[in-house]
Amino acid sequence: QVQLVESGGGLVKPGGSLRLSCAASGFTFSDYYMSWIRQAPGKGLEWVSYISGSDNIIYYADSVKGRFTISRDNAKNSLYLQLNSLRAEDTAVYYCARTAGVKLRPYYGMSVWGQGTTVTVSS
Amino acid sequence: QSALTQPASVSGSPGQSITISCTGTTSDVGGYNYVSWYQQHPGKAPKLIIYDVTNRPSGVSNRFSGSKSGSTASLTISGLQTEDEADYYCNSYTTSSTHVVFGGGTKLTVL
Repeated sequence: QVQLVESGGGLVKPGGSLRLSCAASGFTFSDYYMSWIRQAPGKGLEWVSYISGSDNIIYYADSVKGRFTISRDNAKNSLYLQLNSLRAEDTAVYYCARTAGVKLRPYYGMSVWGQGTTVTVSS
Repeated sequence: QSALTQPASVSGSPGQSITISCTGTTSDVGGYNYVSWYQQHPGKAPKLIIYDVTNRPSGVSNRFSGSKSGSTASLTISGLQTEDEADYYCNSYTTSSTHVVFGGGTKLTVL
C-alpha cells in the first residue's frame, strides 16, 4: 500500500545538524512532488519545503531558507531534509507528505502523510 | 510568510452544522482556487478532506464541504459526529516566495 515512513529525528544541540529521511513505497515516487511540514509542540502545521519529482523545482519557508536543504533520490524512493544551524524554535514533529496527484504541486492537496519524526533542539 | 487566519476554536452539538473560516488576501485565498483543508486528530498525521476549494477526496464523508467567497474560504461540517472532534487546518497557494501557506488551525469541540 501507499506509505511514507520518516526517520532520523532526535535530540540535537543548538547550532547542530540533523538529516531526516522519508522512505516511500506503493507508488511511482518520481511522479510526485514531495513536501516537508512541521508541527511544534502544541502548535499548528507549518509548511517547510517542497521538491518536484525531478528535483528541479524547490521552495522553502522563509523561516528555514538558507539553513535547511531538501533533496530526493528517486532510485531509492527516498526524500531527505538536511537541517543545519538548528535553533530551539525548530523543535517539532516533521512530516513528509505526497501531493494528491501526479505532477501536481503541494497546494493542490497533500493526500499521503507519514507518521512524523520528532526533532528536539536543546542544550 | 503570514499564516491564514482561522478561529482558534469552534464547537457544536451532535447533529448540528458548523463552519470554519479561513481568511487570507488576494495573494492567496482570494486570488486562486487552491485551497485545501486538513483534519488532524491528537497524535495523528493530518488527513486531506477538501482540495481545490470544494472537492472531496475519495472516501471522505459528504458531510464535509468547502466553499469560498472573496478572500475567505470556509469548511462546513454537517450532521456533526463525535469523531469529528479534531483540529482543522486550511492551506493555500500564495504568490509569496514560499508558494504554500497554512492557517493557524481551529479546534473543533463536539459537545
